[in-house]
Amino acid sequence: DGGITQSPKYLFRKEGQNVTLSCEQNLNHDAMYWYRQDPGQGLRLIYYSQIVNDFQKGDIAEGYSVSREKKESFPLTVTSAQKNPTAFYLCASSIYGAGANVLTFGAGSRLTVL
Amino acid sequence: GENVEQHPSTLSVQEGDSAVIKCTYSDSASNYFPWYKQELGKRPQLIIDIRSNVGEKKDQRIAVTLNKTAKHFSLHITETQPEDSAVYFCAASREGGKLIFGQGTELSVKP
Repeated sequence: DGGITQSPKYLFRKEGQNVTLSCEQNLNHDAMYWYRQDPGQGLRLIYYSQIVNDFQKGDIAEGYSVSREKKESFPLTVTSAQKNPTAFYLCASSIYGAGANVLTFGAGSRLTVL
Repeated sequence: GENVEQHPSTLSVQEGDSAVIKCTYSDSASNYFPWYKQELGKRPQLIIDIRSNVGEKKDQRIAVTLNKTAKHFSLHITETQPEDSAVYFCAASREGGKLIFGQGTELSVKP
């Protein structure tokens, strides 16, 4: 499945609940990313990590948190502080330091807040 | 901050015609410009990319042109086919930096 797996594919959340989206890669890529996709707004970067135990905020980090305890895994938590969490979330990875940030994407997770 | 503007947001062409999607970027230090294609319900996939030391790159029916002075780059698809229908995203980044994506163009190729 392209070497990068996201789960779950669909997720429903009640307001006030935190949810965690999983992202696992077996490509031995150093860098991992989380993007949010909304119609007409392209792909907006939430968080990214270039090395284990280190990560940086992207353009829309408010209301989200991440961890990078293992090279293969980069889970995203959507907290209750995120005001409009209903969206399609894409995880991606790339070879850090290769000079060309070719991204390999997962299949995505669609989060709906009820 | 860095910004990438993409136009048009929707594009409809007749099968066999050409399609052109244009992007402009704000960071003059950007030197890597990829294009991703996302078919309905699928993940984005890289279709072509170009670096700043090259003005044009072709791959069969797809070509990308880059004008660094004007800070814009374009995707050209010739002899369009129904399977070209998808959302296309441009992006720009510095060497080793994070990618900034455009808003996307929904291309529809009518048989």
